Amino acid sequence: GQSLEQPSEVTAVEGAIVQINCTYQTSGFYGLSWYQQHDGGAPTFLSYNALDGLEETGRFSSFLSRSDSYGYLLLQELQMKDSASYFCAVGIGGYQKVTFGTGTKLQVIP
Amino acid sequence: EAGVTQFPSHSVIEKGQTVTLRCDPISGHDNLYWYRRVMGKEIKFLLHFVKESKQDESGMPNNRFLAERTGGTYSTLKVQPAELEDSGVYFCASSPSVGRSSGNTIYFGEGSWLTVV
Repeated sequence: GQSLEQPSEVTAVEGAIVQINCTYQTSGFYGLSWYQQHDGGAPTFLSYNALDGLEETGRFSSFLSRSDSYGYLLLQELQMKDSASYFCAVGIGGYQKVTFGTGTKLQVIP
Repeated sequence: EAGVTQFPSHSVIEKGQTVTLRCDPISGHDNLYWYRRVMGKEIKFLLHFVKESKQDESGMPNNRFLAERTGGTYSTLKVQPAELEDSGVYFCASSPSVGRSSGNTIYFGEGSWLTVV
């Protein structure tokens, strides 16, 4: 089976930088994705890493180390609207079943 | 282009009743998924269709849940009879059949909130 672990909650100050870690155990690894979900809303795609290294998209960056089965999401210049749950996810095989981690609830405080 | 749409958005039913949730994926997406999130916990996989075929239904909790995707377009998820623990948000998602290099981006609907009382 597959399993992903993330911290359950993180609190950070507006304007600061926060890193959300994700470790996974899976077979047939096809990449690590990150999704954001505001309370009551649909999860939305943030970023994807198929190869080792850092991917940057605006204020958000995502990192992957396949040898360590580890990745993280980095959020810079935090804004209050970034308060949400963040999920890492792995895709399995060519049919793209996606399995989600337990989610990290980020609270941004003034 | 229309996104993934789900109906109903909210449903309150009594224990023992039946509810059918519907999902219309993005047009042309072969992959359709059902997920459930209960009480702010993880987004739990239920099942995955590729066109009209069930690719993986390992996440379906029990035989009270039945999913169909006739014709490979929209999908329904029926819960019969509903129990209290079935309450939660049921998300449908879809994705195109693309290669590994395109990533595993899936597009979610807004969810169907189910409350069993």
